[in-house]
Amino acid sequence: KAGVTQTPRYLIKTRGQQVTLSCSPISGHRSVSWYQQTPGQGLQFLFEYFSETQRNKGNFPGRFSGRQFSNSRSEMNVSTLELGDSALYLCASSLDREFTGELFFGEGSRLTVL
Amino acid sequence: DQQVKQNSPSLSVQEGRISILNCDYTNSMFDYFLWYKKYPAEGPTFLISISSIKDKNEDGRFTVFLNKSAKHLSLHIVPSQPGDSAVYFCAASPYGGSQGNLIFGKGTKLSVKP
Repeated sequence: KAGVTQTPRYLIKTRGQQVTLSCSPISGHRSVSWYQQTPGQGLQFLFEYFSETQRNKGNFPGRFSGRQFSNSRSEMNVSTLELGDSALYLCASSLDREFTGELFFGEGSRLTVL
Repeated sequence: DQQVKQNSPSLSVQEGRISILNCDYTNSMFDYFLWYKKYPAEGPTFLISISSIKDKNEDGRFTVFLNKSAKHLSLHIVPSQPGDSAVYFCAASPYGGSQGNLIFGKGTKLSVKP
C-alpha cells in the first residue's frame, strides 16, 4: 500500500512569492491534515480536511490556505511568503472511522524562503 | 502558550538501558495522548497511545504512563537500542477532538549510544 506522497520534496522561493504544496493520502483515507515543523516550534497544526471540507484550522494567518479534492488529494498554498515561512510542511492522512490519533505522515516538503 | 511541553530537548542513553522521555500538558480537556517518532528526512510515525481512562499502556519495549493529576506522561523504552535514536514527539487531543488535529510538543531528541 503506497504511503502519503508529498510534492515537491524541496523548493526554494523568495519573499513575496507564493507556493503550492501537494499531498496524496493513503488510498481510502479521507482525512488530510497539514502541519508546519520548525526547529523552534516543533509540529504546529495548520488545518484539517475531511470530504473536501475544512474541519479545523490552526492559528496561522490567512496567507496559509488549503483545499481538498474529491479524490481526497489536498493542496496547501502560502501567499506572500515571509522568511519565517521556511519550514518542513508535513501532510498526514487517516482513516477517521473511529478516533485512534494515528496519523500517517508523508516525508514532507522542505520550503526555504530567501 | 504551549499546551504540550517537552522540556528536555535532548536525551542521551547507553544501549540496553532505559530511556525515559517526559511530557507535560496544561489543558485538562485533553483525553488522548500519543507518542510519535521521527527519523531525519522522514515523516513522523505513530508509536504508542493512551486514553485518559488508563494510566499505562504497553507495546513491546515501549510503555507510556499517564498521571492525570500531575498532567504528566512519560514514555519508557526498555531496553534502548541504537535504532531508537530519533526525535520523539508527544501529542494530545482534546475530548471530542478530530483525528487530524493533534497538539504536539517540540520534541526530544534521543541518542542511544552503542
